[in-house]
Amino acid sequence: DAGVIQSPRHEVTEMGQEVTLRCKPISGHDYLFWYRQTMMRGLELLIYFNNNVPIDDSGMPEDRFSAKMPNASFSTLKIQPSEPRDSAVYFCASSFPWGNTIYFGEGSWLTVV
Amino acid sequence: AQSVTQLDSQVPVFEEAPVELRCNYSSSVSVYLFWYVQYPNQGLQLLLKYLSGSTLVKGINGFEAEFNKSQTSFHLRKPSVHISDTAEYFCAVLNSGNTPLVFGKGTRLSVIA
Repeated sequence: DAGVIQSPRHEVTEMGQEVTLRCKPISGHDYLFWYRQTMMRGLELLIYFNNNVPIDDSGMPEDRFSAKMPNASFSTLKIQPSEPRDSAVYFCASSFPWGNTIYFGEGSWLTVV
Repeated sequence: AQSVTQLDSQVPVFEEAPVELRCNYSSSVSVYLFWYVQYPNQGLQLLLKYLSGSTLVKGINGFEAEFNKSQTSFHLRKPSVHISDTAEYFCAVLNSGNTPLVFGKGTRLSVIA
């Protein structure tokens, strides 16, 4: 299997611009997670989906962040407008079933200047 | 609510020496426990996991961990480390309910030649 695929791997953008991060989970996995990693806060769960439905978005920092999962093989995390404090590594992960291993993508390294 | 405490943020150790990375958790229900490793500029990959059964769990790359319910611990050990083990190690807990995986802050293992 190809694993969890994320794009872009690296992005540098200016403050105020819209950022869209993309994720393709492992085929057959019905849970999809978005995490953010920073030096200060470590790994934070932003949102997770089950069968394309958002289950818990309490970790989404504010309204500037939104996530969608239009089908079982694709999800996006959007930041609009972006701010320098959004600079972080964003990981997408997937699993099946609940309680089993969560597989991570390589991450999207975002820098907002 | 469940939580994970990794007691050491950094652990330096000489090559071929043994190492123990400590992890304590809190949860009011049954738990599943995981250790993940993150090499520089990469995503997280599973080292080992405890779901049930034997409390001593063996993982990849010669690592093992022991689940101690009375001490609510899941310490990671390796009898002889290599330079290539230099990485960040994350302990994580998942309870048997519907709460997502919670990660500790991570322990940076530095192996010195």
